Amino acid sequence: NAGVTQTPKFQVLKTGQSMTLQCAQDMNHNSMYWYRQDPGMGLRLIYYSASEGTTDKGEVPNGYNVSRLNKREFSLRLESAAPSQTSVYFCASSLYGTGLKGYTFGSGTRLTVV
Amino acid sequence: DQQVKQNSPSLSVQEGRISILNCDYTNSMFDYFLWYKKYPAEGPTFLISISSIKDKNEDGRFTVFLNKSAKHLSLHIVPSQPGDSAVYFCAARGNMLTFGGGTRLMVKP
Repeated sequence: NAGVTQTPKFQVLKTGQSMTLQCAQDMNHNSMYWYRQDPGMGLRLIYYSASEGTTDKGEVPNGYNVSRLNKREFSLRLESAAPSQTSVYFCASSLYGTGLKGYTFGSGTRLTVV
Repeated sequence: DQQVKQNSPSLSVQEGRISILNCDYTNSMFDYFLWYKKYPAEGPTFLISISSIKDKNEDGRFTVFLNKSAKHLSLHIVPSQPGDSAVYFCAARGNMLTFGGGTRLMVKP
């Protein structure tokens, strides 16, 4: 099915471990985003990539890095995981920036840091 | 400081009645507002939107109202159905989308 694919769906990390969350879209979208969802906080933007070759910080970038590997793929890396990074992470994409129908989201990665 | 707020974390409604979900914002530069619906273990999906130059947009059972002077928007679902039970997020467009905290809607049969 066309859309945004995230892997893995679930992950448990120990404090200090590192991992990379993968995201790929097959809609030929130019812009991609990483959000985290926490109870009562809604969705907060971590990083985004307006187009291939560019990345920018969002609202909550500390502790994360991103790579726009190509037009399809946008990965999120936690270098040294902390319990505060326990969250559900969503990748999203859009054709160009913030269009009238917003973004298309993946199904999420539930990350627990113990 | 949250620029988009949904003050009701949850709402329970009887099937067939109207559901009204509310959202407030602080930034008058937002030019477009969207509602997303999210089921458990799925990503948010786009539901309906409204431009800041309009005060109402309707799509089937879903209507969004915008009151710019009050910086307030609402989503009306009539009639509510059990399948509407989900978390609803409002979002506002500036440079990026800014989301509210979400409201969990439960529609009881």
